[in-house]
Amino acid sequence: TQLLEQSPQFLSIQEGENLTVYCNSSSVFSSLQWYRQEPGEGPVLLVTVVTGGEVKKLKRLTFQFGDARKDSSLHITAAQPGDTGLYLCAGEPRLAPYQDSWGKLQFGAGTQVVVTP
Amino acid sequence: KAGVTQTPRYLIKTRGQQVTLSCSPISGHRSVSWYQQTPGQGLQFLFEYFSETQRNKGNFPGRFSGRQFSNSRSEMNVSTLELGDSALYLCASSQPGQYYGYTFGSGTRLTVV
Repeated sequence: TQLLEQSPQFLSIQEGENLTVYCNSSSVFSSLQWYRQEPGEGPVLLVTVVTGGEVKKLKRLTFQFGDARKDSSLHITAAQPGDTGLYLCAGEPRLAPYQDSWGKLQFGAGTQVVVTP
Repeated sequence: KAGVTQTPRYLIKTRGQQVTLSCSPISGHRSVSWYQQTPGQGLQFLFEYFSETQRNKGNFPGRFSGRQFSNSRSEMNVSTLELGDSALYLCASSQPGQYYGYTFGSGTRLTVV
């Protein structure tokens, strides 16, 4: 079983502050995805990172995939109340080339982020 | 285009009963995966279907089963419900191949009493 550990479990910050969420594993993933989930709703895909060392920026969100493809981080700059939610990382196991993971994502436990005005 | 649709949104069942949940994927998506989400265990993979075939299965008892129809719609069934089956059941659809990510439905909240 490939385990993904997320830290911290809970983060409460003021509007305008920065935050970073970490996702670590001892296993290699072919890709890593970040989702945000609102209460009572399904997770919404934020980004997929594929290449070791890759950095992706989406407005105030920066995602990084570790060089060894075992870890990832999500950094939010100048957080806003709308960023409040449960952030989940999910790894796709490294299978044969050109073969998808057949739906079996390995999810971290999630980081609950609360941004207060 | 329409997202992933799950029905019903909420369900209350009694221990020992069975339940069927439905998932309609995004048009053109042929892969449908099911997950169980609980506060204690987080998101756990149940199974995945592609072109009416189960390709992958998680570590759940045989009481949990599923199927996929020719139009890619999928159903999951839980028989002999237990209190511990209370959870948010999520389905996700995706395009074939890697790196596209998954689109989740809003889930079905199942409460077993």
